[in-house]
Amino acid sequence: QPVLTQSSSASASLGSSVKLTCTLSNGHRSYIIAWHQQQPGKAPRYLMRLEGGGNFNKQSGVPDRFSGSTSGADRFLTISNVQSEDDANYYCETWDGYSRVFGGGTKLTVL
Amino acid sequence: EVQLVESGGGLVKPGGSLRLSCAASGFTFSGHSMNWVRQAPGGGLEWVSYISSSTSYIYYADSVKGRFTISRDNAKNLLYLQMNSLRAEDSAVYYCARGYGSSWDNVDVWGQGTTVTVSS
Repeated sequence: QPVLTQSSSASASLGSSVKLTCTLSNGHRSYIIAWHQQQPGKAPRYLMRLEGGGNFNKQSGVPDRFSGSTSGADRFLTISNVQSEDDANYYCETWDGYSRVFGGGTKLTVL
Repeated sequence: EVQLVESGGGLVKPGGSLRLSCAASGFTFSGHSMNWVRQAPGGGLEWVSYISSSTSYIYYADSVKGRFTISRDNAKNLLYLQMNSLRAEDSAVYYCARGYGSSWDNVDVWGQGTTVTVSS
């Protein structure tokens, strides 16, 4: 079963860029992941799907400021021109055909 | 508009039972796998159970195996989670979540959640 590792917290100033990381466990480096955003007090929201080759497909309506990339076992979510509404928890997700796994989440604080 | 609306949450005593429902609308329900995902207070997301579009494949997290049962009614666009032998650690917001395709794939739609509290 894959394991996803995320930093517990990150911060970014308004208008800056931030890169969040989700790391796949050994033996699962090629797995596809998805990124989800959860604003305070709200349900999660699907942002994008990110493949091992670096291709990403965003959900309709997700701002262009959000993008994804890959390097080895690492899957990145980059937010450019950070806005106050980006203050949220960000979770990565993957699956193996028998179970679904979420990372522990990264709390992004917008300063 | 694609929508998932959960219901059935509430307060239940340890050892009790509860049945959650999720009403789907705005898409072809029978064409998508479905999941239940929960979130304990102050915690992260935890996958609970999966059911394929045709109900051929069903999987559970080890933490609920043998106690929870997932099912669906494609004619009524409804997803269910029967929860038995509930424990305090089952207290959480339970989300209904759509799979991107008919089998294993990422979650692409979330419901608003229903709260389950297990306490004496």
